[in-house]
Amino acid sequence: NAGVTQTPKFRVLKTGQSMTLLCAQDMNHEYMYWYRQDPGMGLRLIHYSVGEGTTAKGEVPDGYNVSRLKKQNFLLGLESAAPSQTSVYFCASSPLGTSGRTGTDTQYFGPGTRLTVL
Amino acid sequence: AQKVTQAQTEISVVEKEDVTLDCVYETRDTTYYLFWYKQPPSGELVFLIRRNSFDEQNEISGRYSWNFQKSTSSFNFTITASQVVDSAVYFCALSGKSGNQFYFGTGTSLTVIP
Repeated sequence: NAGVTQTPKFRVLKTGQSMTLLCAQDMNHEYMYWYRQDPGMGLRLIHYSVGEGTTAKGEVPDGYNVSRLKKQNFLLGLESAAPSQTSVYFCASSPLGTSGRTGTDTQYFGPGTRLTVL
Repeated sequence: AQKVTQAQTEISVVEKEDVTLDCVYETRDTTYYLFWYKQPPSGELVFLIRRNSFDEQNEISGRYSWNFQKSTSSFNFTITASQVVDSAVYFCALSGKSGNQFYFGTGTSLTVIP
């Protein structure tokens, strides 16, 4: 199993350009997530999905859109990139919780995408 | 509100010393999970441990051990006889029943000096 993969690994954009980050997982996980990691701020959740065709906003959703057309893929889009979106982006997935248990199960992370917006 | 606090921003130790990374959490949920992840210089996030709120037993895995205390809302991580390969940023995280979300601390950067 490849686990969680992210494409691309690095990208440089100019302000106002658009791009899509692709996350794929082959573990048949129900949940998928997009985070950004900035120095001194840990990981902050951008958007997440609890299943195919569903998405929800996280802590810092502004300026981003997502889609989950297929269970194994979760796309993160930047319509008009801004320098404040320079960050490292991580995708994660987790399985559905078992009966009688609440909360999110262990999240497995992709290798990250380093994005610079000039 | 859900919150994880890792008060130690950076720690340096000499190889073979023991080191404890602190994690304090806040939650109103009665059922929740706590996690530790390691982020080595290569950048990936590696899962280390998950602990649910009903299980306060401490856990040991090789040189790693975790001390979960609900009375103080803490989930501390100890590395015994540290090694250079332990140099990384370590994140503590919390998940509760609301929103299927993780809440990460800001991380503790550990440097082990040879």
